[in-house]
Amino acid sequence: AQSVAQPEDQVNVAEGNPLTVKCTYSVSGNPYLFWYVQYPNRGLQFLLKYITGDNLVKGSYGFEAEFNKSQTSFHLKKPSALVSDSALYFCAVRDGGNFNKFYFGSGTKLNVKP
Amino acid sequence: DADVTQTPRNRITKTGKRIMLECSQTKGHDRMYWYRQDPGLGLRLIYYSFDVKDINKGEISDGYSVSRQAQAKFSLSLESAIPNQTALYFCATSEPLTSGRGNEQFFGPGTRLTVL
Repeated sequence: AQSVAQPEDQVNVAEGNPLTVKCTYSVSGNPYLFWYVQYPNRGLQFLLKYITGDNLVKGSYGFEAEFNKSQTSFHLKKPSALVSDSALYFCAVRDGGNFNKFYFGSGTKLNVKP
Repeated sequence: DADVTQTPRNRITKTGKRIMLECSQTKGHDRMYWYRQDPGLGLRLIYYSFDVKDINKGEISDGYSVSRQAQAKFSLSLESAIPNQTALYFCATSEPLTSGRGNEQFFGPGTRLTVL
C-alpha cells in the first residue's frame, strides 16, 4: 500500500535558522514525490517534486528537498527560514499502480518566530 | 489559485440535508479531483475524473457522489449529510500525465462544510 508519513505535527524554528520538515514514504515502483504548502484560508500550492535525477530538488520560495532512496525519505529544507514561511506543509506521493492517484501526509505546521 | 474556484466557501447545514459543492476551473485541464481535509489526517481522495465520461472513486467515496457537467465543472454532492462529513473540501485539477506538469495539482481555495 502507498503511504506517506510526516512524523512531526509541528516544527518551530527561529527566523534565519535552517529548517527541515520530515517526510517518509512507502510506494511500489519508482517514487514520485511532492511537497505542497497551505497558507491560512487558501488551497494547497505546489512547491517542488522529485521524479528522477538529482537527489536534491530545488523548488519555489527557496525551498529544496532531499530524496533518499535507502531511507525512503523526502525531507523539505530551507537554509534560512522566514516568518512568512509559517504555514502547513504536506508531503505527497503518487500511487505506484494508479498514476492518477496521490496520497498526502497528515501535514506539518511550520512556525517561524522572529 | 484564482484559476480554480469553489462555491460556496462556507456552508452550515443539518443532518439529512442534500448538499452540493461546486468547482470550476479555467486552466483547461482534463483531470479534476475532490479531496477532503481533516485535522491530523491530511487530504483524502473522494473522487476523480479524467473527462465528462470518466469518473472514478477514490479512497473515501461512500456517502458522496459527483457530476462532471463539462470539462470545466466538477460538482460534489452529499446526498444525506451526516456530522462526520464536517470537513474542509478541496477541488484540484491537473494536466495529463504526458505533459511536463502532469504530476502537479492545482487546488481551489476550499469549502468549509459543517454538518450539525
